[in-house]
Amino acid sequence: GNSVTQMEGPVTLSEEAFLTINCTYTATGYPSLFWYVQYPGEGLQLLLKATKADDKGSNKGFEATYRKETTSFHLEKGSVQVSDSAVYFCATTSGTYKYIFGTGTRLKVLA
Amino acid sequence: EAQVTQNPRYLITVTGKKLTVTCSQNMNHEYMSWYRQDPGLGLRQIYYSMNVEVTDKGDVPEGYKVSRKEKRNFPLILESPSPNQTSLYFCASSPIGQGGGSSYNSPLHFGNGTRLTVT
Repeated sequence: GNSVTQMEGPVTLSEEAFLTINCTYTATGYPSLFWYVQYPGEGLQLLLKATKADDKGSNKGFEATYRKETTSFHLEKGSVQVSDSAVYFCATTSGTYKYIFGTGTRLKVLA
Repeated sequence: EAQVTQNPRYLITVTGKKLTVTCSQNMNHEYMSWYRQDPGLGLRQIYYSMNVEVTDKGDVPEGYKVSRKEKRNFPLILESPSPNQTSLYFCASSPIGQGGGSSYNSPLHFGNGTRLTVT
C-alpha cells in the first residue's frame, strides 16, 4: 500500500533561515500529495497540495513540487518566521479515499 | 463559520468506563473519519464513513466503535477503554467527488482534538 516517509525532527532554525523538510512516498497509481500543518493545541490544517506529477503547491510562502521520478514532495520556505513554528505532516491518498500521513516534523524557529 | 467540532477537549477516565467523543461538522460533508495521534507514529486512522449508515474500519479499529446516523455527526465510542487508548484523537471531514482521475484529493478539515487519558 501507499506510504510516506518524512524527515525526523525537531528542526530548529533561526528566523529568516531557509527551510527544507524532506518527504518521500511509495504509491501505486497516481496519488495526490499534501502538506498539513498543526499549530499548538489545534487540529491539522491543509497547507498545500499537488495532484499530479510536476505540480507545484504553494501557500503562505511555502512550496512543494510533486516529483514522480524521485517520488518526493519536499517542503521549502525561503525565509521562516517565528510564527511558522509548528508540526508539519506530509500525506498522500489512495484511490479509496484513504489518507496516509507521515510521522510529522516539528519545526522550531528562534527569534 | 465552517468547522468540525469535537467534544470534550480533554477527558480523563478509568479503565472500563464507557465513553463517547462527539464530532459534528456543519459543511454537509459526506466523508468523516477518526484518527489517533501518538508520538513517533503520526496519525493513524481508526474508522471512517463515506455517508450516513456507511462506516468502515481504518488501520487501528480495535477497541473502538462508531456510528453515522446523521450526516453531520460521527461519534467515537470506547466501550471499555484501556490505558493503551490514551492518545490525542482527531475527527476530520471532507466532501467526496473532487477526485481527479483515480486520486482522491479533497482536503480534510480537522477538529481541534480530544486528549484522552485512561488510567
